[in-house]
Amino acid sequence: DGGITQSPKYLFRKEGQNVTLSCEQNLNHDAMYWYRQDPGQGLRLIYYSQIVNDFQKGDIAEGYSVSREKKESFPLTVTSAQKNPTAFYLCASSFPSLTGELFFGEGSRLTVL
Amino acid sequence: RKEVEQDPGPFNVPEGATVAFNCTYSNSASQSFFWYRQDCRKEPKLLMSVYSSGNEDGRFTAQLNRASQYISLLIRDSKLSDSATYLCVVFRTSGGGADGLTFGKGTHLIIQP
Repeated sequence: DGGITQSPKYLFRKEGQNVTLSCEQNLNHDAMYWYRQDPGQGLRLIYYSQIVNDFQKGDIAEGYSVSREKKESFPLTVTSAQKNPTAFYLCASSFPSLTGELFFGEGSRLTVL
Repeated sequence: RKEVEQDPGPFNVPEGATVAFNCTYSNSASQSFFWYRQDCRKEPKLLMSVYSSGNEDGRFTAQLNRASQYISLLIRDSKLSDSATYLCVVFRTSGGGADGLTFGKGTHLIIQP
């Protein structure tokens, strides 16, 4: 079955550590996205990529980095520069002609101790 | 005024009742509209797109009012399984989120037996 796989589902890290969240899709989608969701808040865009080897900052990119070396993969690194990293992170993908229909992974819940 | 606004609720509704909630958007240039459903601690999933003429999918009816800049979702004969948070999503090619999408914070619906 086609879909988006995020890992790990739950992650704990100490302050000052970088952590990388994995996102893989086999939907043959060109576009991929990373969102962050905090309790009671809407989804906020961190980074997105419309094509391999190209990506753009979203609304809250500071303290995060991404790469898009393969169409299927769009990993997100949460660096120590991110001041409030504890959140629910959602990866999504879509066809290039985005009109709003996104397919989401199950999410990764990061807790900084 | 926030770009996309929703009443956070919670809406407590008895099973079998009809419930409706709205979402207002501030930018008249918005082009596409969607309702997503998000279960507790899960990823959002597309519930339905919202068309200008209104559209129905089983017990769910979505409507768009461009003049007043709101979209609505009506759920008839509500089921316990309808309990979830309903996210309003607005798309426009210029602006909104960096990818053109703006998510509302969601309306929390609780169906009570």
